[in-house]
Amino acid sequence: NAGVTQTPKFQVLKTGQSMTLQCAQDMNHNSMYWYRQDPGMGLRLIYYSASEGTTDKGEVPNGYNVSRLNKREFSLRLESAAPSQTSVYFCASTLTGLETQYFGPGTRLLVL
Amino acid sequence: GQSLEQPSEVTAVEGAIVQINCTYQTSGFYGLSWYQQHDGGAPTFLSYNALDGLEETGRFSSFLSRSDSYGYLLLQELQMKDSASYFCAVRLDNYGQNFVFGPGTRLSVLP
Repeated sequence: NAGVTQTPKFQVLKTGQSMTLQCAQDMNHNSMYWYRQDPGMGLRLIYYSASEGTTDKGEVPNGYNVSRLNKREFSLRLESAAPSQTSVYFCASTLTGLETQYFGPGTRLLVL
Repeated sequence: GQSLEQPSEVTAVEGAIVQINCTYQTSGFYGLSWYQQHDGGAPTFLSYNALDGLEETGRFSSFLSRSDSYGYLLLQELQMKDSASYFCAVRLDNYGQNFVFGPGTRLSVLP
């Protein structure tokens, strides 16, 4: 089992460029999440998906879109990157109703 | 809005006991979790409390008082490898979909 995988590991973008962060899990989990982590601010929820075909906004959704492609995959898209989106992005998954979230290794994004 | 507060830093020596507190003010509450994160790594789950009281998992214990909107993580017999950041997280809804995390506490364990 690979658990939760994320690609890419690192990315540098120029302001206004777009990109998609990929996340996949092989644990048959229903729920998947995207967080961003900035220094001193902990993890902030961007979007989550309770099941295939459903997505909901979290605390900081502006500037992002998501797609729950199937049960395994949950992608995060930045349509027009801004320097304020420089952060580390973590994907996580869990079985619905349970507490333990399993996190991927993260994507470090720098927007110049 | 949602608000979780933790001390920003805690320092202790090997073999000691340390307590990391978390207070919360949230629109909903269905449980308090704790996560550990080493520098450059991903958060990993440590413990969870849905009801008042103490939960023990090896060297780590977690406590919750819902009436006080307060919880803590207790780490015993500290080891150098426990140096990391620790986050509390509140589950906001009954289906476990929505979570909010605290800002984190950086624990430094000294020899």
